[in-house]
Amino acid sequence: DAMVIQNPRYQVTQFGKPVTLSCSQTLNHNVMYWYQQKSSQAPKLLFHYYDKDFNNEADTPDNFQSRRPNTSFCFLDIRSPGLGDAAMYLCATSRAGGPATNEKLFFGSGTQLSVL
Amino acid sequence: DAKTTQPNSMESNEEEPVHLPCNHSTISGTDYIHWYRQLPSQGPEYVIHGLTSNVNNRMASLAIAEDRKSSTLILHRATLRDAAVYYCILRDLDSNYQLIWGAGTKLIIKP
Repeated sequence: DAMVIQNPRYQVTQFGKPVTLSCSQTLNHNVMYWYQQKSSQAPKLLFHYYDKDFNNEADTPDNFQSRRPNTSFCFLDIRSPGLGDAAMYLCATSRAGGPATNEKLFFGSGTQLSVL
Repeated sequence: DAKTTQPNSMESNEEEPVHLPCNHSTISGTDYIHWYRQLPSQGPEYVIHGLTSNVNNRMASLAIAEDRKSSTLILHRATLRDAAVYYCILRDLDSNYQLIWGAGTKLIIKP
């Protein structure tokens, strides 16, 4: 049974047209993360929520925003997608502090974003 | 900053053991070593983690050098389903949530 669910699996958007990716979890985990993964690269953390506390990585562009309306759902908003934003976007969860506290991360299958 | 180094790719025959190395010479004393793998078109999945002692689970074994500057993920009998990119990961000292991902090793299994 899927525990971290990302929709849609594939998303196509136009250059500059806002797009929202969604993630839901059935694990009741405190922490939700958004990663960007470009071809043949390791995932790169964009931001995470610890409960309602939002934590942005220093090098995440302002073009990327996130919302977490409740424990189960988290959204990634790309306000004006550029060609360089085409990538796989991965959502992950952990029960508490992630690997620093020895907690595993659980990843969704990702959303592959194409920008035309 | 902590950093990991992994070979770009490795090949192995099916049903044989596989040893995937990772160097992390700048590891701090409190950093756990985590391994995740990513199958094609999937998100990463947890494999194993350890601090100082060798660890075993149903998926793999993790051998950690005595000085902790390197580790080896061991798949005891590789199957075609083990073909994936394997990431060796450390925690960033400056952030409880930031993972330092290696570039990953693409494991190719030959039937």
